[in-house]
Amino acid sequence: QVQLVESGGGVVKPGGSLRLSCEASGLTFSDYYMSWIRQTPGKGLEWLAYISGSGTYTNYADSVKGRFTISRDNTKNSLYLQMSSLRVEDTAMYYCARDRSIAALWGQGTLVTVSS
Amino acid sequence: SALTQPASVSGSPGQSITISCTGSRSDVGAYNYVSWYQQHPGRGPKVVIYDVNNRPSGVSSRFSASKSGNTASLTISGLQAEDEADYYCSSFTTSNTLVFGTGTKVTVL
Repeated sequence: QVQLVESGGGVVKPGGSLRLSCEASGLTFSDYYMSWIRQTPGKGLEWLAYISGSGTYTNYADSVKGRFTISRDNTKNSLYLQMSSLRVEDTAMYYCARDRSIAALWGQGTLVTVSS
Repeated sequence: SALTQPASVSGSPGQSITISCTGSRSDVGAYNYVSWYQQHPGRGPKVVIYDVNNRPSGVSSRFSASKSGNTASLTISGLQAEDEADYYCSSFTTSNTLVFGTGTKVTVL
C-alpha cells in the first residue's frame, strides 16, 4: 500500500524553526519528485517546494524562498522541510505529496501553529 | 496567483454539476497538466482527474473533465451524497511551479 506519513508539526513562536518529515512506503521513493504543500482556511492550498528524485534540483515558492529548505534521504525513504524564521501566517496544515506537475498522492498532513 | 473557481456549487442527487477553473496562458493554457482533487473534511486531498481528463484507477467514471483555452472544467454526473466535498484544481506553470485553484464546496441537496 502506497503511503505518505508526515510528522514534526507543532506549536512554535514567531521567528522560530521547525523540521517536518514525510516517510514514504510502497513506492520506489527515489524515482519521484516530491513536494510540500500547505493548506490554510483563509488561503486554501499553496504549493511550497519540490525536489527531484536524486535531490539535485529544487524549486520554491516566493513566499518561502530563503526561509524553507526541502531535502530528502532516499536511503530512509524520507522527505524533509526545514522551516526557519517562521511567521504567524505560516500557520497551516502541511502535506507532502508525490510528483511536481501534479500532487498525485498526499499524506494526512501535519499541523504547524506559529503563535506567541 | 491562484486559479479561480466558484466558491460553491450544489445539485440534487442524480443531477450533473460542473466546476470551472480559470487561469492564464502561463498555467492552465500552457500545458495539459491540469488536475482535480477531492477533499473530504479532515482528510488529505485525493486526485480524481490528472492531465486534463484522465481518471486514476479506482475513481468513478462519473467524474470527467476538459479544458478550453485558459479554463478547465470538472463535471460530476449522477451526483451522489458521497460526492459532497471540497474540490480543487491545479496546474503546472511556465515557471515550473504548481498553482492551485481557490476551491469549490460541492453540496448535495
